[in-house]
Amino acid sequence: SQKIEQNSEALNIQEGKTATLTCNYTNYSPAYLQWYRQDPGRGPVFLLLIRENEKEKRKERLKVTFDTTLKQSLFHITASQPADSATYLCALVLHMDSNYQLIWGAGTKLIIKP
Amino acid sequence: GAGVSQSPSNKVTEKGKDVELRCDPISGHTALYWYRQSLGQGLEFLIYFQGNSAPDKSGLPSDRFSAERTGGSVSTLTIQRTQQEDSAVYLCASSPQRGAYEQYFGPGTRLTVT
Repeated sequence: SQKIEQNSEALNIQEGKTATLTCNYTNYSPAYLQWYRQDPGRGPVFLLLIRENEKEKRKERLKVTFDTTLKQSLFHITASQPADSATYLCALVLHMDSNYQLIWGAGTKLIIKP
Repeated sequence: GAGVSQSPSNKVTEKGKDVELRCDPISGHTALYWYRQSLGQGLEFLIYFQGNSAPDKSGLPSDRFSAERTGGSVSTLTIQRTQQEDSAVYLCASSPQRGAYEQYFGPGTRLTVT
């Protein structure tokens, strides 16, 4: 069966450390992968997009890796801050014929402790 | 500029009643999506509009669900004869065009069916 998995347990990280979140998938061949941040009571906010032929993408304190062999993306937040506490969602972007379809993970809750 | 807006923010309805949820996308965005998010779950795709093309309705869970988009802008999601399992947060997102582009989400409508 096709599925996308993110760690369902909350991730607790000490302020200043690097937080690493995982997105694993099976039986998909995504053209792209996106990461979003979602705060309680709000819609997701786009953070980064990485293409299948890109190994790594960076934006300020954020870094995303994409390993199509392992079928895994890692999302890193360096020098983490309490304000980084939120739920982080990954989304696979599948390119099928002339259409694009997004498949969403359930998200991982990140808690940065001061 | 203004982001995606949704109304109402909360809706409580009795089982069997019909509800209408509204989405105002970002001006100029041709792609519009509706998703459903249950507690602790990923986003469940419902329907997608792109310009004047026929909508992709493949995610609608039953024929009680329908959506329209008037004038390529505002969209309404209608749920007829609501059931308790329809209780969820309904999120709308828009995107500049079809493709692997980032999606801009509204704050969502929390629907509770009693």
